Amino acid sequence: SQQGEEDPQALSIQEGENATMNCSYKTSINNLQWYRQNSGRGLVHLILIRSNEREKHSGRLRVTLDTSKKSSSLLITASRAADTASYFCATLGNKLVFGAGTILRVKS
Amino acid sequence: EAGVVQSPRYKIIEKKQPVAFWCNPISGHNTLYWYLQNLGQGPELLIRYENEEAVDDSQLPKDRFSAERLKGVDSTLKIQPAELGDSAVYLCASSPTRNYNEQFFGPGTRLTVL
Repeated sequence: SQQGEEDPQALSIQEGENATMNCSYKTSINNLQWYRQNSGRGLVHLILIRSNEREKHSGRLRVTLDTSKKSSSLLITASRAADTASYFCATLGNKLVFGAGTILRVKS
Repeated sequence: EAGVVQSPRYKIIEKKQPVAFWCNPISGHNTLYWYLQNLGQGPELLIRYENEEAVDDSQLPKDRFSAERLKGVDSTLKIQPAELGDSAVYLCASSPTRNYNEQFFGPGTRLTVL
């Protein structure tokens, strides 16, 4: 069973625009992680945010976490064609549980 | 640094046949995971090893799936017999820490059961 639910299921934007993906979950967590998956590099860890953190940045990525709403968002700024991939949130309780993912397409 | 290595990359078998997948984790990573990923879904944990000990195998269908990690390095995941519903991508991951953080994934083995 998958705890995280990403929204939207698919997103198509122009290069240079920002992309926002959301993740909602049901139970309490220790941390929440975002992963990217494309055919070229497989599944890659992007960023981890702990349950006591509210926001975290890594390069063009910004992640927020609202534990009261049990939700997280991933913002990719100034998107590039190479950002085209599926993005998964994964929540850590007693094990890591992945959502179904958001498919992002960045058009050049 | 070499990443997680998996083989084979693709496997096509008839139902009821056995199949095995092999994984070599990143050197020094004591934690190894096997995941199953169905099309359009995120990975689902099958089993987690700390060195050679399986510490979480609650999601492994033990009637037909088995795994081993001899000597705490390479690991093999086996299905016997395979069923049509086992068609999926089988991912192996490793991490340097014990608690599911920052996992490094292999390219996966795409299994097709006919």
